[in-house]
Amino acid sequence: DADVTQTPRNRITKTGKRIMLECSQTKGHDRMYWYRQDPGLGLQLIYYSFDVKDINKGEISDGYSVSRQAQAKFSLSLESAIPNQTALYFCATSDRSGYTFGSGTRLTVV
Amino acid sequence: SQQGEEDPQALSIQEGENATMNCSYKTSINNLQWYRQNSGRGLVHLILIRSNEREKHSGRLRVTLDTSKKSSSLLITASRAADTASYFCATDWETSGSRLTFGEGTQLTVNP
Repeated sequence: DADVTQTPRNRITKTGKRIMLECSQTKGHDRMYWYRQDPGLGLQLIYYSFDVKDINKGEISDGYSVSRQAQAKFSLSLESAIPNQTALYFCATSDRSGYTFGSGTRLTVV
Repeated sequence: SQQGEEDPQALSIQEGENATMNCSYKTSINNLQWYRQNSGRGLVHLILIRSNEREKHSGRLRVTLDTSKKSSSLLITASRAADTASYFCATDWETSGSRLTFGEGTQLTVNP
C-alpha cells in the first residue's frame, strides 16, 4: 500500500457542486498538507495541519475547507466548485527528513 | 514571496551528459529540498540540505547550497532517459518549521 493514498484519482464535477477529496497516510506523521498544482507550475499550499487539533490556512485557502478526522486522515472540500479550481491536488505528510506526497487527484470543474 | 525560482525553465540534454539546475530564494531558510515529478504524478523527495550544510550527495545527485547568495544547485551526473521529469526546489523557511514553498520547476528532457 502507498504511504499516502488519495481518493479519488480523477473527478469531473459541475460548477456549484460540493466535492470532497480524501487523503490517508500510513507514515505515522503528525503533519499533513494539501497542495494544488496548475499546469506547468509549482505547488501552492491550500491548508496544513500540524496535528489533529491544529488547522492552518495556506496561500490559497479561499473556496476550500479541510477536516483532520484523525492523525492519518486529512480531507479537502470544495464548498461550491468553480472552473478555475480545475487542477491537480496533492496531499502530503512530513517529518524532519522531508515530505511524502500522494499520487494526486485530478479535478475538473465544468 | 519566498517562492524559489528555478533556472532554467527547461533543459534538454543527451543521455550520459550532466544536468545542472539552479534555484534561488529570498529569505533565510531552515532547509532546502529537491523533488522530482514525473508527468502528472506525485512528487518524489530527492534530497534535503540544511542551512548549515554546503553540499550533499545521493547516488548520481549532488546538491549545493550557498546561503550567502540564497541559491542552490542540483547536479545529475551521467543522465539517463529515465531522469526525464520536472525538478522542483522547495524551501522550508518558517520559524515554526516544515511549511514548504515550491518553485515552478525545471523540465528536464534526457534524449536517448
